[in-house]
Amino acid sequence: AQTVTQSQPEMSVQEAETVTLSCTYDTSENNYYLFWYKQPPSRQMILVIRQEAYKQQNATENRFSVNFQKAAKSFSLKISDSQLGDTAMYFCALGSNFGNEKLTFGTGTRLTIIP
Amino acid sequence: GAVVSQHPSRVICKSGTSVKIECRSLDFQATTMFWYRQFPKKSLMLMATSNEGSKATYEQGVEKDKFLINHASLTLSTLTVTSAHPEDSSFYICSASRSQETQYFGPGTRLLVL
Repeated sequence: AQTVTQSQPEMSVQEAETVTLSCTYDTSENNYYLFWYKQPPSRQMILVIRQEAYKQQNATENRFSVNFQKAAKSFSLKISDSQLGDTAMYFCALGSNFGNEKLTFGTGTRLTIIP
Repeated sequence: GAVVSQHPSRVICKSGTSVKIECRSLDFQATTMFWYRQFPKKSLMLMATSNEGSKATYEQGVEKDKFLINHASLTLSTLTVTSAHPEDSSFYICSASRSQETQYFGPGTRLLVL
């Protein structure tokens, strides 16, 4: 069985600062994918970033980057220069076959950016 | 690209009635669609996976006769909550993916059963 653990239920940070959200996972598969999704108050799930497990290079997407530690099964999200619009629930998710099969979600981290 | 819509965005119905929720991929053909349920301040719980033209695969504990899923075309999947009860009130989210791609989520449907 696959599991995803997010140990930080809530976090807050001042605008323009950097924040890191933690995620650990467990899977017996060799080929898998990891995702961070953002759910703002509108409740629309938005893909933030994705990482293929076979790639050693950490994924980056503008202000968002990940620290993927495969051996430790850790997948943290770093948000640089945080903005008010980053306020949202953030879910870490684990999937296989590039998301074409079901995703296992963590319990989420509620991030608040303070003006 | 990769836009997924849901209709209705919110619905209120009486106990005992059935409610249909539509999920559409607007600018791509979705080989697979997923239906999730989200309780307040909780994570997404996968209910079922559907592939176009075949029966849906339900997760353990999800009543397939209660939550009917139809994936009639590559752009449309429907979830029908039959004989709805107040405990079925929830936020239902669909997602869609094309072959070998990430899931893209719809905006969700809030169901309230009175």
